[in-house]
Amino acid sequence: AQSVAQPEDQVNVAEGNPLTVKCTYSVSGNPYLFWYVQYPNRGLQFLLKYITGDNLVKGSYGFEAEFNKSQTSFHLKKPSALVSDSALYFCAVSLTSGGYNKLIFGAGTRLAVHP
Amino acid sequence: EPEVTQTPSHQVTQMGQEVILRCVPISNHLYFYWYRQILGQKVEFLVSFYNNEISEKSEIFDDQFSVERPDGSNFTLKIRSTKLEDSAMYFCASSVSGLENEQYFGPGTRLTVT
Repeated sequence: AQSVAQPEDQVNVAEGNPLTVKCTYSVSGNPYLFWYVQYPNRGLQFLLKYITGDNLVKGSYGFEAEFNKSQTSFHLKKPSALVSDSALYFCAVSLTSGGYNKLIFGAGTRLAVHP
Repeated sequence: EPEVTQTPSHQVTQMGQEVILRCVPISNHLYFYWYRQILGQKVEFLVSFYNNEISEKSEIFDDQFSVERPDGSNFTLKIRSTKLEDSAMYFCASSVSGLENEQYFGPGTRLTVT
């Protein structure tokens, strides 16, 4: 079955330190991978995606993610965390079926950045 | 920047009542979706809609659910007879195409069934 795992419910990091939010996936075929962020009382906001090509993709707000096919991972990273990065982060994989896609989400990881 | 909007932000209804959740997708998008998130659980796919018809639906999307694009801008989700377990946050999303393009999500409607 197609699935996405985010092994950490919460990640705590000090402001200015690098952060990593982990994601692994299990799908058949080549995946399209996405990261979304959710702030309180807001919808999910798109951060970045991997479709093909360079394994390191850059997105909004200084975030980047590295696609690792052998480890089936797509970890989200940022070199220097900000307090304003504190939010709920979702990894998702897009499954294509007949030209349409649906997103399968991980359970989410809460990122807390402390001053 | 264009965004997906949803109304109402919070809907309280009694079990057995019909509810309609409304969404206005981004204007040049062609693919529309509904997802839901029960409190403390994952965001789950419900249905995708393209060219005025359902393109895919999950096992959650049973006969009690329906979707409609009644005019050129709105996209609605109807639940005919709500159950307690329908209580969740419902998110509408849209995308330019159905393959590589990211989906843009609305802020959600919190549905509470009592």
